[in-house]
Amino acid sequence: GAVVSQHPSWVICKSGTSVKIECRSLDFQATTMFWYRQFPKQSLMLMATSNEGSKATYEQGVEKDKFLINHASLTLSTLTVTSAHPEDSSFYICSALYGGAGAKPGELFFGEGSRLTVL
Amino acid sequence: GQNIDQPTEMTATEGAIVQINCTYQTSGFNGLFWYQQHAGEAPTFLSYNVLDGLEEKGRFSSFLSRSKGYSYLLLKELQMKDSASYLCAVKGGSYIPTFGRGTSLIVHP
Repeated sequence: GAVVSQHPSWVICKSGTSVKIECRSLDFQATTMFWYRQFPKQSLMLMATSNEGSKATYEQGVEKDKFLINHASLTLSTLTVTSAHPEDSSFYICSALYGGAGAKPGELFFGEGSRLTVL
Repeated sequence: GQNIDQPTEMTATEGAIVQINCTYQTSGFNGLFWYQQHAGEAPTFLSYNVLDGLEEKGRFSSFLSRSKGYSYLLLKELQMKDSASYLCAVKGGSYIPTFGRGTSLIVHP
């Protein structure tokens, strides 16, 4: 199947600093990527849809100025958590739709996830 | 809007069979997915149903009834490594699947 790589896997930062998380599609081009957040024992909550070459589409309740998304190329989307606070501590996961051979319509391929801890 | 409901937690014995149910109400329907997620890891794809009936893949099977808004994931010959969260996701009118809260399955010896 398609491979999506996410980096870093773990990050600890001080309150008030910014953190960037990268999501790469390694063997296919992804015009659309998705960013999810998952709190302990909760489901994946879609934060935003990242579109290559255009502005991201944010879900209701997600602050676009706090969670900056950049999708500058067909293989890379980044999520920057600006002025992070302890309540932003969570598991952030990116995913991409792969429409190539073997994939099911709408099947998502996920990155490994990034666990952010804000002190 | 979309509403997806599945049990929060289930326990089962190694070697047994377990069925995890998922009910949904969506505006439009374009497929239902099951994903497995181990703690601290990203979800991995298990199955996809778009037509009514049973899809079997090894120890795992998934069933769909569109008229009832109902699906289940059946796990046979349970192994300890099957302890994980199982996420039901539905693709309604949008091309983006919406996830349920997940069912935490605990397999004990």
